[in-house]
Amino acid sequence: EVQLVESGGGLVQPGGSLRLSCAASGFTFSNYWMHWVRQAPGKGLVWVSRINSDGSSTNYADSVKGRFTISRDNAKNTLYLQLNSLRVEDTAVYYCARASTYCGGGRCYRASNDYWGQGTLVTVSS
Amino acid sequence: DIVMTQSPDSLAVSLGEGATINCKSSQSVLYSSNNKNYLNWYQQKPGQPPKLLIYWASTRESGVPDRFSGSGSGTDFTLTISSLQAEDVAVYYCQQYYGPPFTFGQGTKVEIK
Repeated sequence: EVQLVESGGGLVQPGGSLRLSCAASGFTFSNYWMHWVRQAPGKGLVWVSRINSDGSSTNYADSVKGRFTISRDNAKNTLYLQLNSLRVEDTAVYYCARASTYCGGGRCYRASNDYWGQGTLVTVSS
Repeated sequence: DIVMTQSPDSLAVSLGEGATINCKSSQSVLYSSNNKNYLNWYQQKPGQPPKLLIYWASTRESGVPDRFSGSGSGTDFTLTISSLQAEDVAVYYCQQYYGPPFTFGQGTKVEIK
């Protein structure tokens, strides 16, 4: 059974830092690209970041570029998100999600986020 | 960035009746190399993470009831619930997966009338 379990959230002051973790199990973690998506209280889903399977390529939303860093440790089956220079508007539940992969004709395509963790709440407040 | 716009923001439907949610992208999400529309639909119930319903605009994820269907191509897409059940009360989001940032629509809240 695929499982994604986030941890590391909490209360932090503006300007502070946190590191979120996402422990993966039930699948070959090193074969999959991974994402972080966040949701402010009562609001919609916002894509944050993506990392490829070996960690050599990353993408970020403009709102977090230069402040957040996505990384992974395939030996530990764990995805990370380092949050620096936190702002009040970064307050949200942060979800990790697996990118589904479909292969055919010698190519593989990532089409969606097929498994999601339960999320970890980050609250930025003084 | 591709902007995703859903309509309506909310709708109330009687049990057993159909529900239709629209999603429009600011540019085409049709990927020429495999002729697939990179448009996903998710369902989110209160206190839960999103659940994938539909990918590639019309392919139902394994285990999703067949009352959920997706259609459309290019920039205009639709999620249809053919016969609303009580357990379908949720917020539904479309998402483009054409390229980063992988933007979501604002969500459509579906309730029972």
